[in-house]
Amino acid sequence: GNSVTQMEGPVTLSEEAFLTINCTYTATGYPSLFWYVQYPGEGLQLLLKATKADDKGSNKGFEATYRKETTSFHLEKGSVQVSDSAVYFCGQRGGSEKLVFGKGTKLTVNP
Amino acid sequence: EAQVTQNPRYLITVTGKKLTVTCSQNMNHEYMSWYRQDPGLGLRQIYYSMNVEVTDKGDVPEGYKVSRKEKRNFPLILESPSPNQTSLYFCASSPQGKNEKLFFGSGTQLSVL
Repeated sequence: GNSVTQMEGPVTLSEEAFLTINCTYTATGYPSLFWYVQYPGEGLQLLLKATKADDKGSNKGFEATYRKETTSFHLEKGSVQVSDSAVYFCGQRGGSEKLVFGKGTKLTVNP
Repeated sequence: EAQVTQNPRYLITVTGKKLTVTCSQNMNHEYMSWYRQDPGLGLRQIYYSMNVEVTDKGDVPEGYKVSRKEKRNFPLILESPSPNQTSLYFCASSPQGKNEKLFFGSGTQLSVL
């Protein structure tokens, strides 16, 4: 079945460091890909998405590119802030409309 | 304001005492889903619904029931809760289509003693 694998956390960075969180997927067909963010005590909210190969999703300085050849959708940010501390979830949504998530990566950014 | 509303926010109960967690959305979405979030396991889908009167099992449906009598509501029912159902539960909704994002509720933290 469809699945998502993202890098294990936790990830701890200093403010202004470069962030990469790896995400790969297995799917039949061509799913849409998503990154969601969960701040402490809150539900998930969409960070960015890409709906077809080579699309780049971007929001709040975060970016991810839909790479069909490597079945990846890695999340990057050039300079993280303390306010980016959260749990990040990679997900895919295919023809069945089920959104399958990875296990989440907890990011802590220190001042 | 467009939102998904879950109630209650926190719930402590005892083994075997039936409970219902309500979920309502005001965006006229066809698709609704329940997830549970557990440390180290991420989010796992319990049940989902593509439209009124259409529901289907997700990955971990055992011990749960749902109904979709109206488009806006999608309650999660635990007929006989057990301690392994202690978890953080999220309801989500979206328009139909794989390109659509899910809108999530704020979550319900359930403890079964």
